Amino acid sequence: EPEVTQTPSHQVTQMGQEVILRCVPISNHLYFYWYRQILGQKVEFLVSFYNNEISEKSEIFDDQFSVERPDGSNFTLKIRSTKLEDSAMYFCASRRGSDYTFGSGTRLTVV
Amino acid sequence: GESVGLHLPTLSVQEGDNSIINCAYSNSASDYFIWYKQESGKGPQFIIDIRSNMDKRQGQRVTVLLNKTVKHLSLQIAATQPGDSAVYFCAEPHPPWGGATNKLIFGTGTLLAVQP
Repeated sequence: EPEVTQTPSHQVTQMGQEVILRCVPISNHLYFYWYRQILGQKVEFLVSFYNNEISEKSEIFDDQFSVERPDGSNFTLKIRSTKLEDSAMYFCASRRGSDYTFGSGTRLTVV
Repeated sequence: GESVGLHLPTLSVQEGDNSIINCAYSNSASDYFIWYKQESGKGPQFIIDIRSNMDKRQGQRVTVLLNKTVKHLSLQIAATQPGDSAVYFCAEPHPPWGGATNKLIFGTGTLLAVQP
């Protein structure tokens, strides 16, 4: 069964450092998303990406965040200067029609 | 406004019993709902969905019921097994399917703990 792949599974970074979270969506999917889940809380939408541009972003997705789909395969989330409160699980998802599939997530810990 | 929430944060059941997880929504225009299962350290996994033109939908050991009058849906798991232990979320796309965004709005989640 096709799946969304995320790397790394765990990332520890120092406050102020840049991190790049990587995702390989399902190949024939057209819509791509990043979500965040702070420990013990619900999954929150960050950003959606379609046709090589951001289609919507949440209030969380400020100027420190950016997304790219550099090569038609990978879909990345960059956090320019990490803060302690960025510590969370980050989930990538891709969608075609009503088939909405999540990856297993990257656990980001900012110290 | 957009709001999907759960009544019970934790549900503890005995193996073999049936489980019922509830979810309330606030937008009467909502027309599609999804239940996700999230095991520890993993991403949300699709379980079952239902459109607003249906009251009930059955899958393998799972049934989703939708009551549009009171804006409530439930997930029923028959003969609950230890492998069912997870957090269960209801979610709905916003805006309803058809837009380029269709972000999912998740409820708070219910932890289902199955006792052997």
